[in-house]
Amino acid sequence: GIQVEQSPPDLILQEGANSTLRCNFSDSVNNLQWFHQNPWGQLINLFYIPSGTKQNGRLSATTVATERYSLLYISSSQTTDSGVYFCAGTNYGGSQGNLIFGKGTKLSVKP
Amino acid sequence: KAGVTQTPRYLIKTRGQQVTLSCSPISGHRSVSWYQQTPGQGLQFLFEYFSETQRNKGNFPGRFSGRQFSNSRSEMNVSTLELGDSALYLCASSYSGGFTPQHFGDGTRLSIL
Repeated sequence: GIQVEQSPPDLILQEGANSTLRCNFSDSVNNLQWFHQNPWGQLINLFYIPSGTKQNGRLSATTVATERYSLLYISSSQTTDSGVYFCAGTNYGGSQGNLIFGKGTKLSVKP
Repeated sequence: KAGVTQTPRYLIKTRGQQVTLSCSPISGHRSVSWYQQTPGQGLQFLFEYFSETQRNKGNFPGRFSGRQFSNSRSEMNVSTLELGDSALYLCASSYSGGFTPQHFGDGTRLSIL
């Protein structure tokens, strides 16, 4: 199956700073998604982005499927952005219901 | 629209017991997937159900099982609990499983004593 590598593993930001999180896949993937897990354990779907670019407020994501990577941009970070960000996808051509997750990027935003 | 509902939120069991967790998907969603999250192994896929059929299964022992009902609600069962089963169990629903976003419930935190 595919391997998902996320970088950086940890990130500390001052409130108001911008950041870019990266996700690399070992092989072609389907159903690429980004999630945010807050300190209470809730896992929120941020983007479903198999290719192209999407924006939602201060967050945006870009997936370059041919080069097997995706980026998540956080602008003007806030303390509520703290938590762990995961990217996940499914094997290209395989069953679509089983997401394979990376180990996540733990983000801490300081006031 | 109501989100994905998992019950119970917290559970404490002892080794050797069995446990059943429940997941009610978003209305209209037919696919339910289960994941286990631990500090050491991260998020790992358990199984997926679609229209009452198990469509895919992860690499977990047979002690882990599940089912889906005609209303798309799903249950997972773990028998003969081991200390290593302590984890956050997350359920995700999606319209069809593939090519649609997955939305997660708040999880059931299972502790084995």
